[in-house]
Order: sequence, then C-alpha cells, then structure tokens
Amino acid sequence: QVQLQESGPGLVKPSQTLSLTCTVSGGSISSGDYYWSWIRQPPGKGLEWIGYIYYSGSTYYNPSLKSRVTISVDTSKNQFSLKLSSVTAADTAVYYCARVGREFDYWGQGTLVTVSS
Amino acid sequence: QSVLTQPPSVSAAPGQKVTISCSGSSSNIGNNYVSWYQQLPGTAPKLLIYDNNKRPSGIPDRFSGSKSGTSATLGITGLQTGDEADYYCGTWDSSLSVLFGGGTKLTVL
Repeated sequence: QVQLQESGPGLVKPSQTLSLTCTVSGGSISSGDYYWSWIRQPPGKGLEWIGYIYYSGSTYYNPSLKSRVTISVDTSKNQFSLKLSSVTAADTAVYYCARVGREFDYWGQGTLVTVSS
Repeated sequence: QSVLTQPPSVSAAPGQKVTISCSGSSSNIGNNYVSWYQQLPGTAPKLLIYDNNKRPSGIPDRFSGSKSGTSATLGITGLQTGDEADYYCGTWDSSLSVLFGGGTKLTVL
C-alpha cells in the first residue's frame, strides 16, 4: 500500500519561501510508472494543482504559479519536494502531495501552511 | 474561476439518486479521461472514479461515472448520510496541465 506524508513548517512569513517535502513509502518513486504531484487547497475553497515531477526530474507546473514554484525529487530518499517563493497570505492553504498516473490515486493527509508575520 | 464547471451544491434525500455534472471543453474533457474525487470533511480527497467510469477497488457500485463529449457526470445511488462530502472532477488539458472542477457540496437531507 503506497503512503505519502507531507512535512515542513506550518508557518511561513510573507515574502519568504515555503518548503515542503513528501516522503513516499510502499512504492518507489523511481519505478517510472507515475508522476508525483503537489496540490493545494485554501481554507474553504477548492483544489488547485501546483505541479508534478517525474523520477527523472522532468517537471510540469501550473502556469499561474510557474514563476514561483520549484519541484524537485530525491530518489535516494524516495522523496520529492516543493518550494514556493515570495509567498503572501493568498498562499495559505492545506498542501497535499499525491501520486498521479491518469488520475491521483494516492494522497497524503495534507499539511496546513499559514503565511503570516 | 475553474475551467471545469461544477454546480456548487446538490442535495437529495437518503436512498435517492443524485448526479453531479462537470463541464469542460474539447481541449480538456473532450480529449482526456476524467476522474472524480470525494473529500469528506477534514480529510484528503479520495479517488472515486477514474478513466471516466472505472471504480478503484473498494469503491461501491453505488458510485458511477460517465462522459459524453465535453462533459462528465458522477452518479450516486442509494444515498447515505456518509456520502455528504465535496466532490471534484479532474482531467488534463492539451498542455499536460491538470485541471480540477470547482467542487460540488453534496447534502443528504
């Protein structure tokens, strides 16, 4: 059973960089069968796709966030990470990591990141 | 404003049937598979339907999906109070971006 777990600071100051890591267990990121993705959900709002990465390092980002987003992968640790720069209060959200083929079949439990001074 | 359009809310009585629509265009739903997700309050989304109409193991056959042209529909029969949740459709667009609908809140009266 594949499991994903997000980790990182729950509070980030405005203008700083949000950094999160997703640790995958029960399956290998390097298997090559899936992409690995970040999705966020502002409080009381819907899902917003942030981007995804392949084990080789190829990335695809949401055009609306592309200038501020970097997703990277560490196959040796079976982890992938998210960096979102120049954050504002509008970036306050629950951040999820997920495995994606044609669909998002496994999700992490999510982690709330609040942007506030 | 989401590219995929869902009704903000639907409601029905226990035991009844409800459908949730997801409308897109030829650049997304029209040429890609659709998936559906259930998000119970305070939890992560859960895959409900993939490849337009397939159910993952463990999802009861009360849940069904269909697609026609540039729209997709999620159907739920035999409604239970435990089905109260937010439901999201998802698909891809021609630039390999992922799209989610705005979500539909299901109330079981």
